Amino acid sequence: SQTIHQWPATLVQPVGSPLSLECTVEGTSNPNLYWYRQAAGRGLQLLFYSVGIGQISSEVPQNLSASRPQDRQFILSSKKLLLSDSGFYLCAWSVGGINYGYTFGSGTRLTVV
Amino acid sequence: SQQGEEDPQALSIQEGENATMNCSYKTSINNLQWYRQNSGRGLVHLILIRSNEREKHSGRLRVTLDTSKKSSSLLITASRAADTASYFCATDVLNNRKLIWGLGTSLAVNP
Repeated sequence: SQTIHQWPATLVQPVGSPLSLECTVEGTSNPNLYWYRQAAGRGLQLLFYSVGIGQISSEVPQNLSASRPQDRQFILSSKKLLLSDSGFYLCAWSVGGINYGYTFGSGTRLTVV
Repeated sequence: SQQGEEDPQALSIQEGENATMNCSYKTSINNLQWYRQNSGRGLVHLILIRSNEREKHSGRLRVTLDTSKKSSSLLITASRAADTASYFCATDVLNNRKLIWGLGTSLAVNP
């Protein structure tokens, strides 16, 4: 069966420190992968998506970057965190096509202090 | 940019009552999807309705889609305390690889 792993669940990082969040998918090949950020009480903001290895599309200019070194691995990074990077980060995958929804990871609560 | 707008923003009902949430969108879609998010957790896909469908059921969930009005509704029948969560609609827009999300409806089911 397909599963998605996202870690860590919570993270407290000082301003200016680097960030690396990892997401891996099991049980499927060539998934579409997504990184979202959700501010408290708000909807989802798409940060990056990827349709294949090394293919990254950025939705908003920001302090973050994403990479997809393997088919089922999606990494969200920052060289220097800002206070405004705090939020709830969600990874998701889909098989593409119009008949399928997304499967989300359990999320990472990032607090930049 | 936001496409879906859920209505109401918050809803509080008693256990056993029905809950209805609405979603409006702006552009033509391939499908519309509803998700649930428990506090502090990831989103769970509930139901997908394609643009050529008008109604869909899954257990206690009933979703309708009116493409002429660009709107959808999610009905949860015989609600339970465990249904307490935020509910989001998302649209799969034509010629787009991404879902467009609404801001969600916060549902509280009181025992």
